[in-house]
Amino acid sequence: AQSVTQPDIHITVSEGASLELRCNYSYGATPYLFWYVQSPGQGLQLLLKYFSGDTLVQGIKGFEAEFKRSQSSFNLRKPSVHWSDAAEYFCAVGAKTFGGSQGNLIFGKGTKLSVKP
Amino acid sequence: NAGVTQTPKFRVLKTGQSMTLLCAQDMNHEYMYWYRQDPGMGLRLIHYSVGEGTTAKGEVPDGYNVSRLKKQNFLLGLESAAPSQTSVYFCASTRAGTRGDTQYFGPGTRLTVL
Repeated sequence: AQSVTQPDIHITVSEGASLELRCNYSYGATPYLFWYVQSPGQGLQLLLKYFSGDTLVQGIKGFEAEFKRSQSSFNLRKPSVHWSDAAEYFCAVGAKTFGGSQGNLIFGKGTKLSVKP
Repeated sequence: NAGVTQTPKFRVLKTGQSMTLLCAQDMNHEYMYWYRQDPGMGLRLIHYSVGEGTTAKGEVPDGYNVSRLKKQNFLLGLESAAPSQTSVYFCASTRAGTRGDTQYFGPGTRLTVL
C-alpha cells in the first residue's frame, strides 16, 4: 500500500542549529516526493520536490532533501534554523488517484517544528 | 494573481445544518482537490475534479458532495453536518494533474460542528 511515514511528531531545535526531518515512503513505482510547509493558520507551501535526476534537491528558504532509494527515505535538512522556520512540515508522495490516472498526494501525518531562541 | 482562495475562513455549524465551501483559483488549472486536515492525521483527500463538470471520490468522501460548474470554482457541500466533520478544509489545484505536478493550496477553512 502507498504510504508516507514521518516518525517524529514534534521536534524542538535551537535557533542556529541544524535540522533534519525524517520521511519514509512506501510506493511501488518510481516515487514523486514532496515536502510542504504549513505556517500556523496558513495553507501549505511547497518547499521542494523530487522526481528524477540528482538525489539531492534544493528548495526554497535554504532547505534541501536527499532521496535515498535503498532506504525509501526523503529526509529534509537545513544547516541553520531560523525562528521563522517554526511550522509544521509535511512529506508527501505523488501517487495515482483511486482507480484513475491523474496525480494525487498521499501525505504523512506531519512533523511540528519548534525553535528555541 | 490571487492563486487559490477559499470562502469562508471560519464557520460554526450545528449538527444537521448544511453549508457550502467555495474554492476559487485564477491559474486556469484543470485539476482541483478538497482535503480535510485533522490533528495527527495529515491531509486526506475528500473529492477531486479533473475538469469542469467532472468530479470523483477520494479517500474520505462520505457526508460530502462537490460540484465543478465552472473551471475556476470547486464547491464542497455538507448536507447534514456532523461533529465528526469538524476539521480544517483545504482546497488545492494543479495544472496538469500528473503525480509529479505541484499542488497549490488555499489558506483553509476552519469548520466546527457543534
